[in-house]
Amino acid sequence: NAGVTQTPKFRVLKTGQSMTLLCAQDMNHEYMYWYRQDPGMGLRLIHYSVGEGTTAKGEVPDGYNVSRLKKQNFLLGLESAAPSQTSVYFCASRQGVGYTFGSGTRLTVV
Amino acid sequence: KQEVTQIPAALSVPEGENLVLNCSFTDSAIYNLQWFRQDPGKGLTSLLLIQSSQREQTSGRLNASLDKSSGRSTLYIAASQPGDSATYLCAVMEGNDMRFGAGTRLTVKP
Repeated sequence: NAGVTQTPKFRVLKTGQSMTLLCAQDMNHEYMYWYRQDPGMGLRLIHYSVGEGTTAKGEVPDGYNVSRLKKQNFLLGLESAAPSQTSVYFCASRQGVGYTFGSGTRLTVV
Repeated sequence: KQEVTQIPAALSVPEGENLVLNCSFTDSAIYNLQWFRQDPGKGLTSLLLIQSSQREQTSGRLNASLDKSSGRSTLYIAASQPGDSATYLCAVMEGNDMRFGAGTRLTVKP
């Protein structure tokens, strides 16, 4: 099935640990995005990419890094996790005006 | 900085009722506005997209309007059903970024 796949779906980290969230899309979309969703705040843009090999900062980039080495994959890294990064993370891809979202990764940092 | 506000934050209605969800934004220089549906533990599904030059879009029992000059959009749901229960998010697109409201959590009671 065409779409956006996020792995893992759930993860618990200890403060200071690192991890990488993977987003994969099979629709050949140019644009890819990472958002975080916190209660009462809607989705906020962390980083985005307008094509293979490109990345740009969004509204809340601090504490995160990203890479887009292949067009179909967009990786989100946390180098040293903090409790403030406890959130649900969504990846999305876009071509034209149509967005496709993944089902999210629920991350808890203890 | 664009701010997107959705009122009310939560709404509970009996089945069959017509209802209106509200979205306001502070900067009228937008490319388009989208309404999304989010079910618990799921990603976002696009319901309606209104281009900045359009006034409204309709899909089945859903009708969305856009008034750029006043910075407002409404989502009208006719003859609500229990299956409409979800969180509804509006988002405005400017540049490569989409700004989201915090959402309205709708419950339709049988």
